[in-house]
Order: sequence, then structure tokens, then C-alpha cells
Amino acid sequence: GENVEQHPSTLSVQEGDSAVIKCTYSDSASNYFPWYKQELGKRPQLIIDIRSNVGEKKDQRIAVTLNKTAKHFSLHITETQPEDSAVYFCAASILGGETSGSRLTFGEGTQLTVNP
Amino acid sequence: IAGITQAPTSQILAAGRRMTLRCTQDMRHNAMYWYRQDLGLGLRLIHYSNTAGTTGKGEVPDGYSVSRANTDDFPLTLASAVPSQTSVYFCASSLHPTQANYNSPLHFGNGTRLTVT
Repeated sequence: GENVEQHPSTLSVQEGDSAVIKCTYSDSASNYFPWYKQELGKRPQLIIDIRSNVGEKKDQRIAVTLNKTAKHFSLHITETQPEDSAVYFCAASILGGETSGSRLTFGEGTQLTVNP
Repeated sequence: IAGITQAPTSQILAAGRRMTLRCTQDMRHNAMYWYRQDLGLGLRLIHYSNTAGTTGKGEVPDGYSVSRANTDDFPLTLASAVPSQTSVYFCASSLHPTQANYNSPLHFGNGTRLTVT
């Protein structure tokens, strides 16, 4: 099955700096790569996703890049703010059919701390 | 407000006891999932259901069972709880690929914090 590895496990940056979180996946058939943000004690929430037919996607201060050849994808947060502090999870899945469906495999998570 | 409701919010359970975690969604999503979240291990899939009447095993299914009698409800049962099942449990739902013809994001419930003593 799919295996997703995420690095680093913890990341501390100064407010205003950029943060980058990287993930690798094992199954070359994976074609959907979402990122979730989880604040302390809350549910994970989708912040951005990318499909395999796109190399990069941006939404304000957040961007995701995908390298299918190398099987890795990254989350970039620019001009970080204290409210960006949270755990971030990457995930990968394969668009399946009637029986297999579409199931996400998550990375282990990155604790991002933005220091004021 | 459309979304996923999980109950209970938290529970302390004696080892050996039976427990059912409830999950209900009102978004008419065909696909539903149960994940457990443990520190340093991320979110691991326990069981899933692509549509009412069908279920499948995820990455860590042992000790858990599920049922999907209708579209809205997806309960998770621990037949005989053990301390290693202490975790935060998240229910999630999404459009099934046959509903949307593309990978659909997961919508998570607020989670159930379970402690098995």
C-alpha cells in the first residue's frame, strides 16, 4: 500500500519568515495530494490540495508543489504569522473505482511554531 | 449546519468493556472513514465505507468493527477495549469518486478522545 513520509516533525520559525514542509510518497499511481492543518484540540481541516495533472498551486500565502518524477510534494507558507502555528499533515491517495474508492494515507505530521 | 457529528466527545473506559463511537453526517456523502490519531503516528485508517451497505478494512482494523446500515451513520465498535486503543478517534466523510469523478477532500468530525484504563 501507499506510504507517506513527512519532514520535519517539528519546525520553528520567526514571524514573517517562510516555512517549508516536505513529503514523499511511494505509490506512483497516487494522484491526489491534500494538506490539512490541525490546531490544538481541533479537527484537521483542509487548507490546500493538488492533483497530479498540476505542478504547483497557490492560495494567498500558501502554495503546494508536486514533483511526480521524484514522488515528492511540499507545502510552502510565506510571511508566517503566529496563527499559522499548528500541526500540518500531508496525505496522498489514488482515485479508485466503485469498490476501492479513494482513501487517504497521511504523513506523521509537522508541528509548526511561529514565534512572534 | 451541515457536517459530521461524533459522540461522545470523550470517554474513559475500563479494559474489556464494549464501546460504540457514534458518527453521523448530513452532507449525503457516500464515503465515510474512521481514523485514529496517536502522537507521532499521524492519522491511521481503521475502517472505511464507500457506500451504504459496504465496509472495508484500513491500515489498523484489528479490535474494531463497523457497520453502514444507511448513508448518514457509521458507528465504530470496540468489542473488548484494550489500553492500546487509547487514542483520539476521528470520523470523516467525502464524496465517493462515483459521486464526484475526482478525489474529494475529507471532512472531519470533532473527534472522540478515548482512554482505556
